[in-house]
Amino acid sequence: SQELEQSPQSLIVQEGKNLTINCTSSKTLYGLYWYKQKYGEGLIFLMMLQKGGEEKSHEKITAKLDEKKQQSSLHITASQPSHAGIYLCGADWNTGNQFYFGTGTSLTVIP
Amino acid sequence: GAVVSQHPSRVICKSGTSVKIECRSLDFQATTMFWYRQFPKKSLMLMATSNEGSKATYEQGVEKDKFLINHASLTLSTLTVTSAHPEDSSFYICSASPGGNTIYFGEGSWLTVV
Repeated sequence: SQELEQSPQSLIVQEGKNLTINCTSSKTLYGLYWYKQKYGEGLIFLMMLQKGGEEKSHEKITAKLDEKKQQSSLHITASQPSHAGIYLCGADWNTGNQFYFGTGTSLTVIP
Repeated sequence: GAVVSQHPSRVICKSGTSVKIECRSLDFQATTMFWYRQFPKKSLMLMATSNEGSKATYEQGVEKDKFLINHASLTLSTLTVTSAHPEDSSFYICSASPGGNTIYFGEGSWLTVV
């Protein structure tokens, strides 16, 4: 069952613009992961958040997990064409249990 | 280098035949592995949890007789698509964890049924 909702479903931005992708869980998360993918290719791990209120950054990408551990956002600053792809959040709700992905967000960056 | 290996990366089979996809953990043992399927431009859908030495746990709506999963050792899980049909054509990807918060994904396997 799909318990992770992402928004927006797709996003088209001009190069240089900032953007935010959201991932919402119906219940408290144990761990929240962000991945990037080109459809039909392997996953690129971006970040993992576990603590409420946690925030991590890597290059121009910042991910946050809210205090209740039910919502995460991924923010890209000054987007570039190389940022284009499908962004997936993934989560488990108890360690060792099934790992589910969010509904996905397709990002297009126009040069 | 890859710590979870999938094979084959691409396979074409005839309708009605069966095809096997392997998922290997290279540097660690995994009592549990997961299989996902990705439809065009969609997210990854969890199909089943592969448990070493016991039966796989299938997600609702996934046909266990169509997608046979065998986890015969701590480093190998296989997904067999039986009596494949064109609608089974898809991208399949597996994952495994050595424990804790670390999850490794395979590079995926493209299945085309003609």
